[in-house]
Amino acid sequence: DQQVKQNSPSLSVQEGRISILNCDYTNSMFDYFLWYKKYPAEGPTFLISISSIKDKNEDGRFTVFLNKSAKHLSLHIVPSQPGDSAVYFCAARGNAGNMLTFGGGTRLMVKP
Amino acid sequence: EPEVTQTPSHQVTQMGQEVILRCVPISNHLYFYWYRQILGQKVEFLVSFYNNEISEKSEIFDDQFSVERPDGSNFTLKIRSTKLEDSAMYFCASSDNLRYGYTFGSGTRLTVV
Repeated sequence: DQQVKQNSPSLSVQEGRISILNCDYTNSMFDYFLWYKKYPAEGPTFLISISSIKDKNEDGRFTVFLNKSAKHLSLHIVPSQPGDSAVYFCAARGNAGNMLTFGGGTRLMVKP
Repeated sequence: EPEVTQTPSHQVTQMGQEVILRCVPISNHLYFYWYRQILGQKVEFLVSFYNNEISEKSEIFDDQFSVERPDGSNFTLKIRSTKLEDSAMYFCASSDNLRYGYTFGSGTRLTVV
């Protein structure tokens, strides 16, 4: 079951540059999308979310873009900082219930 | 900042034994969840709990699993007869409004031997 997919297992970026993490989904019933960050030995930490009625949501250095027609979302981090190095998960929620379906994660490494 | 607390952080159990994983959600949250992540795999939904009953569960959450909110603060996941394939990181989460995302605990690593 690959309803939410993150095709890049890892991404390496120089400090100060933009990080772009991508996520694709197949279920058109998803109406809410979230990004989580995870450090080793910790639980996922909520970063930012977007409703399916919007195409962009911004919070400080983090911006999430949603392209519904392409069933694609992306997380932009600018400028990237070494402390951003973590695994990033996108997740989606259907329009009935609170269950989240997660992607497989992308490991981001920000080099000083 | 309020936290979701999970205990123990690591539990080793013999196959066939019962385990109880414990969680203390954030005090004013109303929705409670269990997820798990098998090593190298995705985070998977197990169950959600609201108003003292299960509101959703996945196919993984079979008769061997149960959840309980025994008092006003704890939320537990019980696995009655553990199997090797139950070895995973189990995350508890809580929310008051999904619009702002869940708050996850740090997880319990369950190792079944």
